[in-house]
Amino acid sequence: QSALTQPASVSGSPGQSITISCSGTSSDVGGYNYVSWYQQYPGKAPKLMIYDVTNRPSGVSNRFSGSRSGNTASLTISGLQAEDEADYYCSSYTSSSTLVFGGGTKLTVL
Amino acid sequence: EVQLVESGGGLVKPGGSLRLSCAASGFTFSSYTMHWVRQAPGKGLEWVSSISSSVTYIFYADSLKGRFTISRDNAKNSLYLQMNSLRAEDTAVYYCARDGPAIVGPGRWYFDLWGRGTLVTVSS
Repeated sequence: QSALTQPASVSGSPGQSITISCSGTSSDVGGYNYVSWYQQYPGKAPKLMIYDVTNRPSGVSNRFSGSRSGNTASLTISGLQAEDEADYYCSSYTSSSTLVFGGGTKLTVL
Repeated sequence: EVQLVESGGGLVKPGGSLRLSCAASGFTFSSYTMHWVRQAPGKGLEWVSSISSSVTYIFYADSLKGRFTISRDNAKNSLYLQMNSLRAEDTAVYYCARDGPAIVGPGRWYFDLWGRGTLVTVSS
């Protein structure tokens, strides 16, 4: 199972909005509602930010939102803040009853 | 406190074996599917394996080719990963992760609680 495709890096200025894409196939991202997004700071465990494509866990800022179009999912962060600088990973259930992650995107807040 | 604590990592020679443990506390462990996820140094996340609450469903990443075995002991609130025939490319931090709440089936396939991880280094 190949990893989902994410941009290696994205950047934005405080207050701006950015979107991180996550491209897969109809056998994963496009075929199931089990798409999630995680935030990870260096040396720390990942944190769940979005699950089931669009749902936000309790306690996660509403500046974070998820969406999907076809085989590509997206994470949008609005009102960018310095604390948002981190690595972001998408994941999806697959038709092989496995889970696949994206390669990760490093977000830089300028 | 709701938490997961991994243990059992360390330095092992290529071809060797290691058993990781994950101790759960603060929630009803027996009600959740559990997963192992790993991260090689400086690399991204890689899903390893999952086991449903009643052990009905067990899944592995294709790349493991039968070398790893996941198990759990609900009476001890513990998750395990037996790793055999270890290779240099298995070097990683191994995280224990809890699946989302599910009434039936293999799980929700997202991870709402993570441990801090345990480092496994495979080197001669």
